[in-house]
Amino acid sequence: DTAVSQTPKYLVTQMGNDKSIKCEQNLGHDTMYWYKQDSKKFLKIMFSYNNKELIINETVPNRFSPKSPDKAHLNLHINSLELGDSAVYFCASSLLVSDNEQFFGPGTRLTVL
Amino acid sequence: EDQVTQSPEALRLQEGESSSLNCSYTVSGLRGLFWYRQDPGKGPEFLFTLYSAGEEKEKERLKATLTKKESFLHITAPKPEDSATYLCAVQAGTASKLTFGTGTRLQVTL
Repeated sequence: DTAVSQTPKYLVTQMGNDKSIKCEQNLGHDTMYWYKQDSKKFLKIMFSYNNKELIINETVPNRFSPKSPDKAHLNLHINSLELGDSAVYFCASSLLVSDNEQFFGPGTRLTVL
Repeated sequence: EDQVTQSPEALRLQEGESSSLNCSYTVSGLRGLFWYRQDPGKGPEFLFTLYSAGEEKEKERLKATLTKKESFLHITAPKPEDSATYLCAVQAGTASKLTFGTGTRLQVTL
């Protein structure tokens, strides 16, 4: 009975490819997030959507494009993958945009060769 | 820009040996300070939220405290299952995003 799920768990791909990561939450939350955790375990916000509307867009290359088809799903599409994109990507959700408790998914480990 | 610094980077304790983890922060308009636990290969798991200086929260062997400049996570008589990376994060101003520190990797041995 997973609250926040992500697919795939592992993604290995070549430089220059395009890939997507999917996220779904069954908590009924309004707000969803994408975070990137680098090799030094530093976790940094990338995007946030509230009820399908983009509310946070940190300084992220425009090769990264989030898409929220409905408030339970937030997908991340990455074009022209680069070596530096290798990281673990976490999806999270919170009940409200002002809510402080965020629930994280299990992460997707992306390796770009 | 909001900044969060955690120390030490890594900590090794023997079972039953109490200690504290530190989280120092510089933000404009703190709305909340959060502690998360992250096990290897998993996403962060929420532990506590602290809102104002002087506030304290407890859960089992963990106790979190907050001052105007820093927060401490006190671990009393830790057990091996407390081994994990502990992350501190802040939420400030009108933004909903969390700004994380780099974490303290705790190992508790028998």
